[in-house]
Amino acid sequence: ETGVTQSPTHLIKTRGQQVTLRCSSQSGHNTVSWYQQALGQGPQFIFQYYREEENGRGNFPPRFSGLQFPNYSSELNVNALELDDSALYLCASSLDRTASSTDTQYFGPGTRLTVL
Amino acid sequence: AQSVAQPEDQVNVAEGNPLTVKCTYSVSGNPYLFWYVQYPNRGLQFLLKYITGDNLVKGSYGFEAEFNKSQTSFHLKKPSALVSDSALYFCAVRDKAAGNKLTFGGGTRVLVKP
Repeated sequence: ETGVTQSPTHLIKTRGQQVTLRCSSQSGHNTVSWYQQALGQGPQFIFQYYREEENGRGNFPPRFSGLQFPNYSSELNVNALELDDSALYLCASSLDRTASSTDTQYFGPGTRLTVL
Repeated sequence: AQSVAQPEDQVNVAEGNPLTVKCTYSVSGNPYLFWYVQYPNRGLQFLLKYITGDNLVKGSYGFEAEFNKSQTSFHLKKPSALVSDSALYFCAVRDKAAGNKLTFGGGTRVLVKP
């Protein structure tokens, strides 16, 4: 186990609703990255937070937003849910010495979101 | 833009035989390459990475990978596969010129038969 935890494990929402997913990083890690993994595909990068600041964003619309807290835990918020948002959402933590580090990202078990 | 290709959707191998999972990459700068494994209903587990140095990288659970710059490849290998190695394997690249994101391949499902 990596020590990265995510909650909830599963979630069912309807179109148009809003959802908040949570991630606790591994002890001592200062960076959290979020990924979306659709069924049968590889994970797609959503964004990364390094020391509470957004540090890169993938090709996702603004209704995907996030936060990182002083204890380096993080939230992913998705507004106006669409059917295509159904996926496994993964967070990964790393101990990055700089904002452009290459340290290993360790993944949590994910949150399975279903949008009906 | 950085990208990763895993040309095989599935690899079938008999237990005890060598296992190879292929990966090729494209980056504008120096590549930082990773392999992860995903078991059903689980997150991704880190296996190994190449940053610099020796082209043969050894990782967890007896896996290793060979970095080949001229062929832009980073194939994952295991000399003797186990049934418990059956899982989904992802190759990923991190290019500092493109930020810190990991770009993943589409994954290769490995099935090891007894």
